[in-house]
Amino acid sequence: AAGVIQSPRHLIKEKRETATLKCYPIPRHDTVYWYQQGPGQDPQFLISFYEKMQSDKGSIPDRFSAQQFSDYHSELNMSSLELGDSALYFCASSLGPRNTGELFFGEGSRLTVL
Amino acid sequence: EDQVTQSPEALRLQEGESSSLNCSYTVSGLRGLFWYRQDPGKGPEFLFTLYSAGEEKEKERLKATLTKKESFLHITAPKPEDSATYLCAVPLTDKLIFGTGTRLQVFP
Repeated sequence: AAGVIQSPRHLIKEKRETATLKCYPIPRHDTVYWYQQGPGQDPQFLISFYEKMQSDKGSIPDRFSAQQFSDYHSELNMSSLELGDSALYFCASSLGPRNTGELFFGEGSRLTVL
Repeated sequence: EDQVTQSPEALRLQEGESSSLNCSYTVSGLRGLFWYRQDPGKGPEFLFTLYSAGEEKEKERLKATLTKKESFLHITAPKPEDSATYLCAVPLTDKLIFGTGTRLQVFP
């Protein structure tokens, strides 16, 4: 079965650079969530989209922006990168925003900021 | 404030040694409690949904239970392949809030 696809899997950037992460949800899933997970930390919710509209927002820095496109894929854009942005970034998808809690997560994108 | 707390932070078990993980929550109007398993460097994988106190769900060596204030994940006769971080989560508006997880290591 198709899963959530994230790219790139690994990304190394310098401070103050920009990075873009992509997420392709499971076919027919219309809701996408972005989470950030630091080493030894629990996943922290960043932002979510339902039907191309932002549905909820968490602790996402102003330097970050995201959007969901007409084909339901989503991109997380991160600018002016800081060392503290180094983390695993997970995308998850579900069918509908007020879901049963069964989110399907991708393998994650590991961002390292040097 | 809505909060999800898990204990213990880490648990080391011998293969076959049963134990329980705890997830306590302070959320008004709970709309379910969810358990996920996460392997190192991987995304969380859904295990169970519990909606009401007294509900139980089972999957292989895992059984999740729910009370009005907490949930337990019971692991019966664990095997080394059960080693992972187990996360519980509750929905808040349109997102899931995760607990800090319990890192389980099962030794042969």
